[in-house]
Parts: sequence; structure tokens; C-alpha cells
Amino acid sequence: GQQLNQSPQSMFIQEGEDVSMNCTSSSIFNTWLWYKQEPGEGPVLLIALYKAGELTSNGRLTAQFGITRKDSFLNISASIPSDVGIYFCAGLGGAQKLVFGQGTRLTINP
Amino acid sequence: DAGVIQSPRHEVTEMGQEVTLRCKPISGHDYLFWYRQTMMRGLELLIYFNNNVPIDDSGMPEDRFSAKMPNASFSTLKIQPSEPRDSAVYFCASSFGGVPWPQHFGDGTRLSIL
Repeated sequence: GQQLNQSPQSMFIQEGEDVSMNCTSSSIFNTWLWYKQEPGEGPVLLIALYKAGELTSNGRLTAQFGITRKDSFLNISASIPSDVGIYFCAGLGGAQKLVFGQGTRLTINP
Repeated sequence: DAGVIQSPRHEVTEMGQEVTLRCKPISGHDYLFWYRQTMMRGLELLIYFNNNVPIDDSGMPEDRFSAKMPNASFSTLKIQPSEPRDSAVYFCASSFGGVPWPQHFGDGTRLSIL
């Protein structure tokens, strides 16, 4: 089946630093999504991407839909303590089934 | 506005017992999803409904799992009989406007089968 490889698995950074994470797959996706999950809560949708090459921002977050349609990237600029959490990418393929990456756990040292 | 509401938030029961998880989607949403989250397997889609009709249940682990959506404002996920390997966090999510992926998740039910 379709699988997503999300990296890095975890990040430890200083407050104020920029963050980059990505997802890759051997399969083509039609939609890429990025979610954030905090302890004890469900994932929250951050950004949705619908076409190859698309670059979309949501505040300090920027995500891109890779040209090959097999990857996506999420950047967070000037990190703050409330950015802590687990970030998930997800891809929607032709079968209309959403596949999730394994997540990137972000820890920020103040 | 109320989000997706799940109950109970926590459930601890002995293996062999029947477990029923409940979900109230956001009003007006036409898609409802059930996901399971574990450390080993991450987030897995179990089943989803469109306008109360099950569309894809290929993620349901086995016949012990069943899901219903009797109306637009309520869905249940039932496990009977439950087994320790069913222990996980179960999420319900919904979306609107014909979007076939989850826009809003509930806060989940943490299920522990002893």
C-alpha cells in the first residue's frame, strides 16, 4: 500500500530557530495535508495543498506541494514554545484514502 | 462553536467485554471518519461515511469491529468482543463541502483493554 516517510522523527531546537520537515513517498498524491497534534488532543489541520508546486502559508508556517507530487515540505519560522507538538503529513491518493506519516515530534528549548 | 464531540474520553474494560465509542460530528458536516492511533501503527483510517452511508470500511480490523451512523449527528464504533490489542486512542473526525478527508478531529477516546 501507499506509505509516507516523514523526517526527521524528532527535532530539538532553540526558541527562535526555523524548523523544516518533509514527507516523501514512492506514490503520487493529489492532496497533501499537514496537521499538528498536542498531548491529549486530536490532530488539528494546519495547511492543505492541492496542486503540484503550490506554496501556502498560515502565519509562520509555510508548506509546499512537491513538483513530482511525491513529496511535501513544512517550514516553521521563528519558533515559539507553543509550536511544540507532533506534526503529521498526510497524502490523499487516487483511491481517496488518506495516508498519514509517522510524525515529527518538535521540542523547543526556551 | 462546538467541535467534534467524542465520548467517553477514557474507557478501561476487561477483555471480552463490548465497547461502544460515540461521536457527534460538527453540524452540517457530510463526511465522518473513524481513526485509530497507536505508537506502533500511527494513525489508521478504520471507516468513513458520506451522508451517513459507509463508503470505505477496508480499514476495519476484523468482524469484531462495527460502525454505524444512524443519522447525520451521531455515529458509533463498537468492538465486540474486545481484546487487549484493541487498546489505542480512537478518533472521530468530520468534514464538509464534499471534502473526503478530515478537517476537524475530536479529542479521542483512550481505550484500554485489560
